[in-house]
Amino acid sequence: DAKTTQPTSMDCAEGRAANLPCNHSTISGNEYVYWYRQIHSQGPQYIIHGLKNNETNEMASLIITEDRKSSTLILPHATLRDTAVYYCIALYNQGGKLIFGQGTELSVKP
Amino acid sequence: DTAVSQTPKYLVTQMGNDKSIKCEQNLGHDTMYWYKQDSKKFLKIMFSYNNKELIINETVPNRFSPKSPDKAHLNLHINSLELGDSAVYFCASSQGGTAINEKLFFGSGTQLSVL
Repeated sequence: DAKTTQPTSMDCAEGRAANLPCNHSTISGNEYVYWYRQIHSQGPQYIIHGLKNNETNEMASLIITEDRKSSTLILPHATLRDTAVYYCIALYNQGGKLIFGQGTELSVKP
Repeated sequence: DTAVSQTPKYLVTQMGNDKSIKCEQNLGHDTMYWYKQDSKKFLKIMFSYNNKELIINETVPNRFSPKSPDKAHLNLHINSLELGDSAVYFCASSQGGTAINEKLFFGSGTQLSVL
């Protein structure tokens, strides 16, 4: 599984877009990029995943660079409830073997 | 309705005791997991079961024994608890099968404190 690197923490103003970067420069061609988040005292929550193309769902958008070495998770209108630790994971067959690193602690401020 | 529920939410016990954590999912999923989150917040898989069959065992001590009476339940029994077992334990489930890109659904965690 490819190693991912994320900033330790980020702040975002409520109502603004939160752009969370992830570097996965050693990603291989068949590895997906997954994003999960963990709100304090809760279990991780799936957000989105993608392989090559940009993806969007009701929670967020995922932008993957053409060379697939990095990606950005976008929360278009961050709310206070989006304050959480966001994990970027790159692997081929999820098979439950998600390994969560330190992630990015996002603080959404009023 | 809670999709993945685990009990208890908090568990405080003495070293050397035996304890169990229960997990149930009502999503109709075939695969269930136990994850451990340590004090540094790293979250790592311990076990996974698919249709009551053990699939992944990530070099967890023998004191930890998962039990799956049916595919909706995966309980975790821990014998002879040690101080280092203190952590938050998360149960999760996924649809299973041959899908490569599956979503995992996590429970809210059980905070285990061994004194």
